[in-house]
Amino acid sequence: NAGVTQTPKFRVLKTGQSMTLLCAQDMNHEYMYWYRQDPGMGLRLIHYSVGEGTTAKGEVPDGYNVSRLKKQNFLLGLESAAPSQTSVYFCASSYPRNEQFFGPGTRLTVL
Amino acid sequence: EDQVTQSPEALRLQEGESSSLNCSYTVSGLRGLFWYRQDPGKGPEFLFTLYSAGEEKEKERLKATLTKKESFLHITAPKPEDSATYLCAVPNNAGNMLTFGGGTRLMVKP
Repeated sequence: NAGVTQTPKFRVLKTGQSMTLLCAQDMNHEYMYWYRQDPGMGLRLIHYSVGEGTTAKGEVPDGYNVSRLKKQNFLLGLESAAPSQTSVYFCASSYPRNEQFFGPGTRLTVL
Repeated sequence: EDQVTQSPEALRLQEGESSSLNCSYTVSGLRGLFWYRQDPGKGPEFLFTLYSAGEEKEKERLKATLTKKESFLHITAPKPEDSATYLCAVPNNAGNMLTFGGGTRLMVKP
């Protein structure tokens, strides 16, 4: 089992460009999450999904959109990237009320 | 609002020098507590789940314990490969979000 995988691993964008981060899990988990991790700020939840076709806002949702068209995939979109979105992004998945399993991360730099 | 505080922020140990990391929490009703290990440049790796006061879990040199207000991660005779950031987290009432502590960065010198 691959667990949670993320694509791409690294990306550099210019301000105003758009991109989509892909997360895939093969554990048949209902719940999926997107976090960002910044120095001194810890892990902060951007958006999450409790099932296929559902999404909800987390702690820091502004500037991001998500979609969960298939149970195993959770996409994070940046429509117009800003330097403040430079961060490391982690995807995670879990069964309801259980521990979350994290992907390896995507390091994004916005110039 | 749930709050999770970890201490110390950083801890330097000599190889073999045992110590403990603290995770204190303020929640309306504890629904579990999770410990993770995070290596530089990698995603958090799940270590333990604790559900009730008095519960203990062990894995190699690590032992996690839980009281009504805090959890400890005890590290016995650590090795340099135990160097990492250790995170604790608690779920919200609905079980669909985690609140993470800021982490403890552990450095074990040979």
